[in-house]
Amino acid sequence: DAGITQSPRYKITETGRQVTLMCHQTWSHSYMFWYRQDLGHGLRLIYYSAAADITDKGEVPDGYVVSRSKTENFPLTLESATRSQTSVYFCASSGTSGITGELFFGEGSRLTVL
Amino acid sequence: TQLLEQSPQFLSIQEGENLTVYCNSSSVFSSLQWYRQEPGEGPVLLVTVVTGGEVKKLKRLTFQFGDARKDSSLHITAAQPGDTGLYLCAGGSNYKLTFGKGTLLTVNP
Repeated sequence: DAGITQSPRYKITETGRQVTLMCHQTWSHSYMFWYRQDLGHGLRLIYYSAAADITDKGEVPDGYVVSRSKTENFPLTLESATRSQTSVYFCASSGTSGITGELFFGEGSRLTVL
Repeated sequence: TQLLEQSPQFLSIQEGENLTVYCNSSSVFSSLQWYRQEPGEGPVLLVTVVTGGEVKKLKRLTFQFGDARKDSSLHITAAQPGDTGLYLCAGGSNYKLTFGKGTLLTVNP
């Protein structure tokens, strides 16, 4: 099906473990984004990518790694998970610049770090 | 970092009432977007406003961009239970959007 999909939808892990959240979009959008959503903080940008092999830090990049070898995929890796990374993570894509371009969000991945 | 302040944080009203939520900043934005997010889902774009003073209508929802492009409002007429959700404003002067914390609206039948 066309759209943007995230996996897993739910994940429980332990402190110190590596976790990868997957994001796949079928529109061939150039721009892709990772946000985290927390009570009291709203949506905060972790990393974004303007095209394959081009990534850059957002507001809260520490503890996260991204890659974009293919236009359609934008995985987010927590190299050593911490409790403070418990959150709901949203992947988004846009066919144009985020200034006026619409962001299309996935359904989110709820991560709990014990 | 440009900040967007949304008010109120929470709003609970009865079906049929009117309401306005606000999105304010001390910074000028080239455009502002409004999204609605329902539980367990990602945000969905409602509207983008780009011109100071611009007013856009989407059925019972009216969006306004301030003349100085620092603030925006969303007015809902005759709210319905289906309007329940988290309303987020977002703006940015580059392709890194900044989101407000949102207004959580509950419309009771």
